[in-house]
Amino acid sequence: GAGVSQSPSNKVTEKGKDVELRCDPISGHTALYWYRQRLGQGLEFLIYFQGNSAPDKSGLPSDRFSAERTGESVSTLTIQRTQQEDSAVYLCASSIRSSPPFFGPGTRLTVL
Amino acid sequence: GESVGLHLPTLSVQEGDNSIINCAYSNSASDYFIWYKQESGKGPQFIIDIRSNMDKRQGQRVTVLLNKTVKHLSLQIAATQPGDSAVYFCAESSMEYGNKLVFGAGTILRVKS
Repeated sequence: GAGVSQSPSNKVTEKGKDVELRCDPISGHTALYWYRQRLGQGLEFLIYFQGNSAPDKSGLPSDRFSAERTGESVSTLTIQRTQQEDSAVYLCASSIRSSPPFFGPGTRLTVL
Repeated sequence: GESVGLHLPTLSVQEGDNSIINCAYSNSASDYFIWYKQESGKGPQFIIDIRSNMDKRQGQRVTVLLNKTVKHLSLQIAATQPGDSAVYFCAESSMEYGNKLVFGAGTILRVKS
């Protein structure tokens, strides 16, 4: 595809349920980022994958959050036992070494 | 993880005027800087970038200025248009920190017609 795609675009879940968010990066992009954006706020770093290097997980807020990436393709962000405070837009971006990161449209997560 | 405050500063400008959006960055080792524009309900959109070996870079109607001495970045938009209304974020990264991209707080730009 031409850009970063994310699915689903919207997700409503009940407190305590697990959710899985998907990111399809731009083909050939070796780096992939996940960010969280609460309503009216800035972008909070969650995790960063770069090629075959160990991911930088320093932004994950708790052990309920995890992410995986298969090679240089799709990534999934999993949130276990969701809490209302997890409600936010989750943004994914991808890049190659010589380019700035390009963002997808985000997944809006609502935890009831 | 890194987080930002609840209230974003707002800049209101008249259509046709020039806008200047400022950003203070924190890491003196940062060597790459990016400005993004985010419209309501959308992901951030790349505007312009600059590396630390430069102090100015121009694009179409936009200019980014970098002052490494005081760790300050600015985005200048010429002849601001209603379509420029959005939230603007600066972001920094460095080889030292593995190229992780860290965002600033953001500024709301409102263009009055």
